[in-house]
Amino acid sequence: EVQLVESGGGLVQRGGSLRLSCAASGFTFNKYAMHWVRQTTTKGLEWVSGIGVAGDTYYSVSVKGRFSISRANAKNSLYLQMNSLRAEDTAVYYCARSDHDFGQYYFDSWGQGTLVTVSS
Amino acid sequence: QSVLTQPPSVSGAPGQRVTISCSGSSSNIGAGHGVNWYQQLPGTAPKLLINVNNNRPSGVPDRFSGSKSGTSASLAITGLQAEDEAHYYCQSFDSSLSGWMFGGGTKVTVL
Repeated sequence: EVQLVESGGGLVQRGGSLRLSCAASGFTFNKYAMHWVRQTTTKGLEWVSGIGVAGDTYYSVSVKGRFSISRANAKNSLYLQMNSLRAEDTAVYYCARSDHDFGQYYFDSWGQGTLVTVSS
Repeated sequence: QSVLTQPPSVSGAPGQRVTISCSGSSSNIGAGHGVNWYQQLPGTAPKLLINVNNNRPSGVPDRFSGSKSGTSASLAITGLQAEDEAHYYCQSFDSSLSGWMFGGGTKVTVL
């Protein structure tokens, strides 16, 4: 069974940093692209960042230059380093696995989420 | 304001058919990028419901179906059941923004 467990969320001051982790199990981690997706009650679901099997990285416009995604295949782990945090980064952050059919990608497994609160 | 536009809410009686629209543009759905649908029950993480236009992962009832035409897509739920009450999100890739985009979500209420 695929399992994704996020950790590292919490309360941080505006301008501060936080590092999220996602522990994966139940599948061959190094064969899948992985992503971070966040959710707020006001903006709904928002894709944040992704990393391919070769380590290629992708970021949304809203976090580019502030967030950094990485993976440690030997540890079956995904990370998100978040710097220069803003109030609008407050959200539940989900780790999601990406699979594909005919070159079309989708998020087929999700973690339970970790809450990040940025105080002003 | 989301790149993909969904109605905020739809409702129907048990057994009825409801549809949820997802309106995009020439840089996402209209560019040929696949549309995926997710179901989010209260207090839980999103769950993949339909992938690549109209393929259901194992375990998803065939009451759920997806379609795509031009720059829009739709999710249909036939034989609506109380357990279908949830939020539903469409998602696609946007070439102009170089990222994966979600619709704003639609709350389905079973009357």
